[in-house]
Amino acid sequence: DTGVSQDPRHKITKRGQNVTFRCDPISEHNRLYWYRQTLGQGPEFLTYFQNEAQLEKSRLLSDRFSAERPKGSFSTLEIQRTEQGDSAMYLCASRKKTGGESYNEQFFGPGTRLTVL
Amino acid sequence: AQSVTQLDSHVSVSEGTPVLLRCNYSSSYSPSLFWYVQHPNKGLQLLLKYTSAATLVKGINGFEAEFKKSETSFHLTKPSAHMSDAAEYFCVVSPAWFGNEKLTFGTGTRLTIIP
Repeated sequence: DTGVSQDPRHKITKRGQNVTFRCDPISEHNRLYWYRQTLGQGPEFLTYFQNEAQLEKSRLLSDRFSAERPKGSFSTLEIQRTEQGDSAMYLCASRKKTGGESYNEQFFGPGTRLTVL
Repeated sequence: AQSVTQLDSHVSVSEGTPVLLRCNYSSSYSPSLFWYVQHPNKGLQLLLKYTSAATLVKGINGFEAEFKKSETSFHLTKPSAHMSDAAEYFCVVSPAWFGNEKLTFGTGTRLTIIP
């Protein structure tokens, strides 16, 4: 299967600890997105990359959050000093952006469920 | 600014009967509209998309949606429900000018199929 993969699928941590999630997009996709989904809500946009460049960050992304895509392939999302309010599903998506074509769908991974105790 | 309102948080239908999931949108720009489905423990999957071409959009698995600008609606329908349709459905809006970057999701509608 060559879809978007995320690791780990589940993470339980104690408040104040740091956590890091990984996303591997579909190989030819140059755009990568992170979303957060809390219980009973739809996903909310956090940030996205064009290759290795981070092009936009949501106001939801506090200073404790950092995302990287160092070689334009996989991406990591780190949360420092986790809080209980960070408990959520973190979703990664990717798509191929070519020229003026803007409507290619985003392909989503299965998500990483974070529980902060 | 853009937003979507999914009018029903939960819909139950019997297998073989029609499905209607309602969505109203608000957008300062001409919108692109999407429906995504989320099965338990699986990633979000695109069902269909409206991008200012035909107002009646056909998607996968027999679903379709109609864009009605006068009503600011984009309701999802299927003539005959199947047990495998049980899932969470999200209506999504994006300004057409920005293409597919700034996706704004609704809160979701959980579809239950009664055998």
